[in-house]
Parts: sequence; structure tokens; C-alpha cells
Amino acid sequence: GIQVEQSPPDLILQEGANSTLRCNFSDSVNNLQWFHQNPWGQLINLFYIPSGTKQNGRLSATTVATERYSLLYISSSQTTDSGVYFCARGVTGGGNKLTFGTGTQLKVEL
Amino acid sequence: DAGVIQSPRHEVTEMGQEVTLRCKPISGHDYLFWYRQTMMRGLELLIYFNNNVPIDDSGMPEDRFSAKMPNASFSTLKIQPSEPRDSAVYFCASSTRQGYEQYFGPGTRLTVT
Repeated sequence: GIQVEQSPPDLILQEGANSTLRCNFSDSVNNLQWFHQNPWGQLINLFYIPSGTKQNGRLSATTVATERYSLLYISSSQTTDSGVYFCARGVTGGGNKLTFGTGTQLKVEL
Repeated sequence: DAGVIQSPRHEVTEMGQEVTLRCKPISGHDYLFWYRQTMMRGLELLIYFNNNVPIDDSGMPEDRFSAKMPNASFSTLKIQPSEPRDSAVYFCASSTRQGYEQYFGPGTRLTVT
């Protein structure tokens, strides 16, 4: 079955809008990370968040490990937020391997 | 501090040639990972090392692929012979300990013609 499922697959926003990206995962996790892959292909760490809530500027993330999901919030979106957002999880007892979701393709328009 | 360093950034080669990708992890990180990204399969783990020892190579697609880590600051991923279906972006990542945050290099875009 699908181990890491992200939604929505695609999202178009007007600049200034807010959005929520979701990541559902199977199995208990020892690692949950959110990445932004920019148009140049670089994977940028956003959050390491196996549980709880974190905030960094306009971005915040929440992971509810007991219910096996994580959310990424983007507020006041900007065109530079465009790209693909990946959720990746490592499982308890699974060594140190990350399994990636298929990503959410975000485009922020003026 | 320097992040994960990969070279070359781009590689174009002909089918049948040997390709070697290189990675320098973040200093002090004990874990090193090789991932591959394609449109069809997304991002997938190929192999990872702990303290220079390969721990899990179940993601290595076939015997044409091999990876080594001769010391704590250097790893190679070799494809011999290369095939067009190996065209992808290959990422190297490192982390400090099991279950902890992984940091990715800029990737090597490989094109095999």
C-alpha cells in the first residue's frame, strides 16, 4: 500500500493566499521531514517534525503521530514559494531510510 | 559550515560508459544516503552507510550500480555500464544519527544518451 500520501497533488494560489498541504503516512515514524524542491531542483529542508508543531516565518508544520498525518501551512504565499513540497518519513525499526511522498506541486501567481 | 557537496553537478555520457558520482557529507555526520529522482518513480533511496559501512543496499537497482565510502568524508556511486534508463538526478544526503534530520546535496543530473 501507499506508505506516504500527499494531497493535493497540485495547487495554484494567488499571491497572499494561505494554504494547507497534507501528508498521511502508514506505520509509526521516527522521522518526518518536509522539503521544498525549488525550480532549480534543490531540496531545501523546511521542517524536521516527527511530532508536535513548529513555525518558521510564514511556514508552520504540525505532525500528529498517533493519527499518522502531518500538515504544512503556508501563509501569505509569495511567488518564491512555488515548487514541489515533499513529505518524507522514516519508520521506527526501519533503520534510517526516508520514504518520500509524491509531492504537492505549488504555483503561486501574481 | 559547508553543506553536502556533490560533483559533478551535470554529467552527460554515452550508453556503455562508466559514470562516477561523488559526495562529501557534512562534517561529523555518521550517516550517508544516496537517492535517485525520476519522473516515473519519484525520490527513492538507493543505499545508505553508517560509519562508512553499507547498511541497506536494497534500493540499488542492479549489479551495474555500486557504492563505496572509503572514509568519513567521501563516497562514490558508480554505474558501469551506464544505460539511458539511468538518466535521473542523483542526490546525496547525510545525517547525524538514526532517525534524525537528513540534509541533501544539490544533486547530480545524469543524462545517458
